[in-house]
Amino acid sequence: DQQVKQNSPSLSVQEGRISILNCDYTNSMFDYFLWYKKYPAEGPTFLISISSIKDKNEDGRFTVFLNKSAKHLSLHIVPSQPGDSAVYFCAASPNQGGKLIFGQGTELSVKP
Amino acid sequence: DTGVSQDPRHKITKRGQNVTFRCDPISEHNRLYWYRQTLGQGPEFLTYFQNEAQLEKSRLLSDRFSAERPKGSFSTLEIQRTEQGDSAMYLCASSLEQTRSPYEQYFGPGTRLTVT
Repeated sequence: DQQVKQNSPSLSVQEGRISILNCDYTNSMFDYFLWYKKYPAEGPTFLISISSIKDKNEDGRFTVFLNKSAKHLSLHIVPSQPGDSAVYFCAASPNQGGKLIFGQGTELSVKP
Repeated sequence: DTGVSQDPRHKITKRGQNVTFRCDPISEHNRLYWYRQTLGQGPEFLTYFQNEAQLEKSRLLSDRFSAERPKGSFSTLEIQRTEQGDSAMYLCASSLEQTRSPYEQYFGPGTRLTVT
């Protein structure tokens, strides 16, 4: 069963506009959520994270929102830049510092 | 560069052969993880080590797969009697337990395995 789901396989956004990537999860025991970015032929790169006790975390152009009642998190990128074009994975941790469970990924394309 | 390194980057093998991959984590990281990623999917957890102890193994890790981290530094992942379904990207990651963010795992570039 897919405990972490990214239902949009792709997203296209104009440069300078907001990109919103979404992620849903089913396990209420997840205690930490992370977003990773992946370029072709490279491993995933950590982007931003949020603890389950918070509802927002911001780092520069990137903000992650967590809605625990809806079991939903989102990543906002403002303003979007062409260099942000990559595959974005959300991930969740069911236990402190152990394995991560990843979604299927969303391919973001930011057009100039 | 002190990131996670993996060797080889690419491996082509014939069905039935054994293959071994190596991962060198970030030097001070005591946790090491193996994941597998197939096309269109996110990484799937295989196993992880804290120092030299293997703490968790996924059901995906059949008895043809074995992982070791003998001295708590580098790790190897061996696949015996490879099958075409083993074709995937094998990713290694590491993290540091004694940190504000033990959840943040840092990934290597991966080893792409093709079984013909």
